[in-house]
Amino acid sequence: EVQLVESGGGLVQPGGSLRLSCAASGFTFSSYDMHWVRQATGKGLEWVSAIGTAGDTYYPGSVKGRFTISRENAKNSLYLQMNSLRAGDTAVYYCARGRTGGFDYWGQGTLVTVSS
Amino acid sequence: SYVLTQPPSVSVAPGQTARITCGGNNIGSKSVHWYQQKPGQAPVLVVYDDSDRPSGIPERFSGSNSGNTATLTISRVEAGDEADYYCQVWDSSSDHPRVFGGGTKLTVL
Repeated sequence: EVQLVESGGGLVQPGGSLRLSCAASGFTFSSYDMHWVRQATGKGLEWVSAIGTAGDTYYPGSVKGRFTISRENAKNSLYLQMNSLRAGDTAVYYCARGRTGGFDYWGQGTLVTVSS
Repeated sequence: SYVLTQPPSVSVAPGQTARITCGGNNIGSKSVHWYQQKPGQAPVLVVYDDSDRPSGIPERFSGSNSGNTATLTISRVEAGDEADYYCQVWDSSSDHPRVFGGGTKLTVL
């Protein structure tokens, strides 16, 4: 059974940093692109970052230069380093497995709150 | 960047058919994926590559895509289908390649 479990969310002040983790199991982690998708309370879904099987990374303009996605295949783990956080980054962050341009499995999410 | 437009809400009586649209410029040339999200839960993929269903998704869920509109069709709607539904595409030419629609709230009357 595919499982994705996020951790690392919490309350952080504006300008601060946070590192999210996603533990994967039930599939060959190294063979899949992986993504982070976020959702502000009461809002829609927003893709945040992607990492390919070769370690290539992709970001939208809203987080480029502030967020860094990485993976550690030996530990079946995905990470998101978030720096220079803003109030607008407040959201539930989901880890998701990539599949032909979409996402076939999602974790339950971890809440990030940026507030003073 | 590429924009996907969904109606904010759709209402349907139990047993009827719900159709949720997703509009985009020449969306018929792209693969469309649909997600169901119930309150407090993570999204679940219900249709991928326009019209394919993941294992475990009922046959009542189907999709189509042509021209400037993709459609998620839910036949014989049940109370348990009440949720938010999001369409999504991969726009390889964009700097924001994974694009979501704004979501549609399906209400079962």
